[in-house]
Amino acid sequence: GAVVSQHPSWVICKSGTSVKIECRSLDFQATTMFWYRQFPKKSLMLMATSNEGSKATYEQGVEKDKFLINHASLTLSTLTVTSAHPEDSSFYICSARVVRDNSPLHFGNGTRLTVT
Amino acid sequence: AQSVTQPDIHITVSEGASLELRCNYSYGATPYLFWYVQSPGQGLQLLLKYFSGDTLVQGIKGFEAEFKRSQSSFNLRKPSVHWSDAAEYFCAVGALAGTASKLTFGTGTRLQVTL
Repeated sequence: GAVVSQHPSWVICKSGTSVKIECRSLDFQATTMFWYRQFPKKSLMLMATSNEGSKATYEQGVEKDKFLINHASLTLSTLTVTSAHPEDSSFYICSARVVRDNSPLHFGNGTRLTVT
Repeated sequence: AQSVTQPDIHITVSEGASLELRCNYSYGATPYLFWYVQSPGQGLQLLLKYFSGDTLVQGIKGFEAEFKRSQSSFNLRKPSVHWSDAAEYFCAVGALAGTASKLTFGTGTRLQVTL
């Protein structure tokens, strides 16, 4: 149980275009989803916390207008990288929680974004 | 502020040998501690977690970890490593209560297994 599906697994886009990444909880309802960014050989950096039906909470230093997050339902959150640039190239991973105390995060398989 | 230190960037062990990956944390209250494993190009899989109770925690794939409050450590161990254990391992600390959650990850330890 507790499967998180992330799509696409990899995407290549041209500079200036926008890319949407989907994160779905397949067998549970996730009130809260989280978006992480992972640089090569680095740890995961929390970008934002996405709560269903409300605005996402962004971590310090993360541009809200650059990384648009929508959490329209209890099973789907999307991250849109707007006007992508090569420096946005990275590995993006979403995670979700079953809504009860002390339940751990379950992670998707990540999306490798390459901006050319 | 919470933080996690994984002092070993890269570890190499022989298949069948024992393994210990180190993790030290800094946290203002009772910590919730996790170990995750990541294969190349993949997401993270939860190996085990500690919230309270018995300080020796059993996880999947034969892994275990011991919480030592006096040392602020949560080291991951496995008595006999398999070649398929080669991956990146992340220790994380945080709190998970209701809709609140903030996990802080260490920088990871890459495990290489030689045959």
